[in-house]
Amino acid sequence: GDSVTQMEGPVTLSEEAFLTINCTYTATGYPSLFWYVQYPGEGLQLLLKATKADDKGSNKGFEATYRKETTSFHLEKGSVQVSDSAVYFCALTVQGGSEKLVFGKGTKLTVNP
Amino acid sequence: DTAVSQTPKYLVTQMGNDKSIKCEQNLGHDTMYWYKQDSKKFLKIMFSYNNKELIINETVPNRFSPKSPDKAHLNLHINSLELGDSAVYFCASSHRNYEQYFGPGTRLTVT
Repeated sequence: GDSVTQMEGPVTLSEEAFLTINCTYTATGYPSLFWYVQYPGEGLQLLLKATKADDKGSNKGFEATYRKETTSFHLEKGSVQVSDSAVYFCALTVQGGSEKLVFGKGTKLTVNP
Repeated sequence: DTAVSQTPKYLVTQMGNDKSIKCEQNLGHDTMYWYKQDSKKFLKIMFSYNNKELIINETVPNRFSPKSPDKAHLNLHINSLELGDSAVYFCASSHRNYEQYFGPGTRLTVT
């Protein structure tokens, strides 16, 4: 079946550090890939997405590249801020499939000043 | 202005009770979803409706029954609540395979 594996947290960084959160997937069809972010006490917000191989999604300084050869969609940011503290979810939907989002288990990021 | 709204935001109730959570979207989307987030933050799809028709029904107890009176609403009714139903329930909507927009969540606590 379809699944997403992302690195276990929690991740604790100092402000301005480089962030990588690894995400790999298995899919029965051709997936679209997403990163969602959940700030404390809030719902999920779409952070970025990519719908085909080699696409790069980017938003708010975050980037992720759809790598079909390694079935990966790692999230990166060059310089994190305290306000980036949140839980980050990698997810996929299979194009032409049931449209449900399959989520990874989430990675909690804490950025200290 | 709220795109996807849910009520209530918090719900505390006793075992055995019946409760409902309401969801409304004003985005004009044709597909709506219910997700459950457990205490470890794991998110799992429960149901999905497209144009008021049920299209996804994951392995969810029969005590959970979604109802979609129209394309803009998807309510979740839960009978005979159990301790294990305690979780945060998220409603979401989308247009076909485009990105899903989530509501703020309803934190259900069963005592």
